[in-house]
Amino acid sequence: KAGVTQTPRYLIKTRGQQVTLSCSPISGHRSVSWYQQTPGQGLQFLFEYFSETQRNKGNFPGRFSGRQFSNSRSEMNVSTLELGDSALYLCASSLAPTSEETQYFGPGTRLLVL
Amino acid sequence: KNEVEQSPQNLTAQEGEFITINCSYSVGISALHWLQQHPGGGIVSLFMLSSGKKKHGRLIATINIQEKHSSLHITASHPRDSAVYICAAGSNTGNQFYFGTGTSLTVIP
Repeated sequence: KAGVTQTPRYLIKTRGQQVTLSCSPISGHRSVSWYQQTPGQGLQFLFEYFSETQRNKGNFPGRFSGRQFSNSRSEMNVSTLELGDSALYLCASSLAPTSEETQYFGPGTRLLVL
Repeated sequence: KNEVEQSPQNLTAQEGEFITINCSYSVGISALHWLQQHPGGGIVSLFMLSSGKKKHGRLIATINIQEKHSSLHITASHPRDSAVYICAAGSNTGNQFYFGTGTSLTVIP
């Protein structure tokens, strides 16, 4: 089975632009979660989707949004980029929307905002 | 206030040493996960615990629900164990996680 894939792997943007990141979960997994990882804050939960519905959201501003499609693929969007948005963005998929399921992480998208 | 506290932040060990990483949490959880992150960013799930103890090869994870504490042990450490180990508390209100700051482990041959 193919693992979780994320595209693009690397991205450079300038302040004020917007960006869309994509995550394809493992086949059969319907829960997709997004995380931001920075050297200062570590890993932080962004949001979780299951069956095209956002079920949980972390403490991030409204500039961060996402969606999930009927094939379970998910996208996250960040509008009006700020320098502090530079980070590694990871997605993870699991069979069910519960923290008692093993999470399978993608390789991440490294975003640099200049 | 951090929901998950992890210690130590950095750890250097000689090959063959027994290693312990500790994790304390203050939130209600359904499960406690231990993750491993190698340079380059890839994260692998090592354990998912809701009670007791689990063992995979040289790795052992334990959890004490009453004390809200978990430990990850590595027996006979090896240079290939060098990585960042992250404790993640899985919320009991949904598929949401609170993360420790990670322990950077370096095992010297």
